Amino acid sequence: AQRVTQPEKLLSVFKGAPVELKCNYSYSGSPELFWYVQYSRQRLQLLLRHISRESIKGFTADLNKGETSFHLKKPFAQEEDSAMYYCALGSQGGSEKLVFGKGMKLTVNP
Amino acid sequence: DTAVSQTPKYLVTQMGNDKSIKCEQNLGHDTMYWYKQDSKKFLKIMFSYNNKELIINETVPNRFSPKSPDKAHLNLHINSLELGDSAVYFCASSQTSGTNTGELFFGEGSRLTVL
Repeated sequence: AQRVTQPEKLLSVFKGAPVELKCNYSYSGSPELFWYVQYSRQRLQLLLRHISRESIKGFTADLNKGETSFHLKKPFAQEEDSAMYYCALGSQGGSEKLVFGKGMKLTVNP
Repeated sequence: DTAVSQTPKYLVTQMGNDKSIKCEQNLGHDTMYWYKQDSKKFLKIMFSYNNKELIINETVPNRFSPKSPDKAHLNLHINSLELGDSAVYFCASSQTSGTNTGELFFGEGSRLTVL
């Protein structure tokens, strides 16, 4: 069974501070990991996926298969990063099912 | 141009009523989904349709009946509404064949309040 754990529900930091949003997964197959973001009053949208190995809006995430983790990091948080962040797990080759973690609310204070 | 659109955005109704939420996508995707987001913001998949065929049906009461008249539309009908059905329902679509990125495109959500 696919499972995603985001252990923290809330994170509040000051502008310019580093942030790390934790995500652990459980899956016996080949995982595909994603981070989705939901800004206030906006729809849920893809932030980044592990297969792309890219940095979006200063965020990066590395898939660590040994630790079954896909933590999201940004060295210097900005106020506009305040949002709900969801880690999601699919299977390689395309899955009709994407399982989401419970989400984490990031607040970046001025 | 809105890629995934849902109607209505807000729905307030009494317990026991029947209601529907409609979803349409203009991305040419072959798979559509319904997700439920509860008051704690937990997002859980309910159904998935691929080319009008039901492929995922999570543990959802049979009061919930999805219908896909074509691959661009996936509607959700709910019978005998209960208080616990109050939530935000998100429609999403993706392309799961061919060049598949695994990305889901979401609608804006439909907030259902059952009184």
